[in-house]
Formats: sequence, structure tokens, C-alpha cells
Amino acid sequence: AQSVTQLGSHVSVSEGALVLLRCNYSSSVPPYLFWYVQYPNQGLQLLLKYTSAATLVKGINGFEAEFKKSETSFHLTKPSAHMSDAAEYFCAVSDQSNFGNEKLTFGTGTRLTIIP
Amino acid sequence: DTGVSQDPRHKITKRGQNVTFRCDPISEHNRLYWYRQTLGQGPEFLTYFQNEAQLEKSRLLSDRFSAERPKGSFSTLEIQRTEQGDSAMYLCATPARGTNTGELFFGEGSRLTVL
Repeated sequence: AQSVTQLGSHVSVSEGALVLLRCNYSSSVPPYLFWYVQYPNQGLQLLLKYTSAATLVKGINGFEAEFKKSETSFHLTKPSAHMSDAAEYFCAVSDQSNFGNEKLTFGTGTRLTIIP
Repeated sequence: DTGVSQDPRHKITKRGQNVTFRCDPISEHNRLYWYRQTLGQGPEFLTYFQNEAQLEKSRLLSDRFSAERPKGSFSTLEIQRTEQGDSAMYLCATPARGTNTGELFFGEGSRLTVL
């Protein structure tokens, strides 16, 4: 079974500071990995995805993530936080070999707060 | 602008009542997913459809829950005899068009509050 663990349910950073949200995955097969963002009372929006091409993945809103197989990690970063980045962030994994089934397994989420 | 429309966005009901949520993908796709998200948690898989066929159901989907996709386009999720533990956001999703890399496109969700 696949799973993801997000370390830190709450992260606070100052505006302009580095954002680092941690995600570790567990998968017996090559995974697809995703980061989604959720604003209050809204659905989930895809930030970026890893699909076995480049290990450094760039997404929307200045976010990026690096796939590290040796560390089973897919941490999300942004060099400089903006107030608009305040939201809940979810890491998710799916099975590359399970073609035709996009079932995602999500982590418990990290709430990002930006301090003015 | 989401590619998945969900209705209603909010529903408040009393314990024991039945509720139904509807999901309308704007662009038809043969697969459609339902997830549940409780407060402070990540979304949890409930079920998915390939056209009209319901191919997989989570053990979270008790016998009070039923999902249908009668014409392979829109889908409904009904909860009978609601309980307070059913309070959650119910999310519908379809695969992103033009990709085969496993990503899902989510609707805005239907938030259920059971009093």
C-alpha cells in the first residue's frame, strides 16, 4: 500500500522567507507524486507533479519540489513567501503502474501561515 | 474556473435525514472519483466509476452510502440516515484531460453539516 507522511501539521513563516513543507512517501512501485493546495472552503488545486521525468519539478505560484528516491522525499519549497500563500497544502501519491486508475492517497496536510 | 461542478456547495441537515450530492464534470471523462475530507484531514478515497460502472469502493463507504453514475456523465452520492460523523466535505474529481500521469481535477466540494 502507498502512503505519504507530511511532517508538521502547521508551519509559520515570515513574509519573504523560505517556505519548506515536508513530504515523505512509501511505495513499493515507482510513484507519481503531487502537491495540491486548498484555500478555505474550496476544492484542491494542483501545484505540481512528479511523473518520473525531471526530479526537480516546478509548479505554479513559484513553488517547486524535488524528488529524492534515496530519501523517499518530495518536499515543497518556495524561495520567498507571499501572504497569498497562506493555505492548506497536501502531498499525494499514486501508483504509476496502475494505468487507468488515478486513485490518490493523500497526506494529512500542512497548514501554512504567513506572518506579515 | 473548475472543470467539475458540485451541488449543493453547503448542506445542513438533521441527524437521520437523507442527503444527496451531485457532481457534473464539465468535460466528460470516463472516470470519476468521490473523496471525503473531514476537518483537519486530507481527502480520503470513497469510490470511483469507469463510465457507469462503480469499480472500487472504500471500506469507508458504509451501506448508508450509495453512489451512481447512470449515464456515465454526472454522478450522485446519497447518504441515508445521516449521522454526525458524516459531517465532512465531499469532493468529486475527474482525471485531468490530455494527461495520463495520474492527476485529478477536483470540484469545489459539497460541505455537509449534520446537526
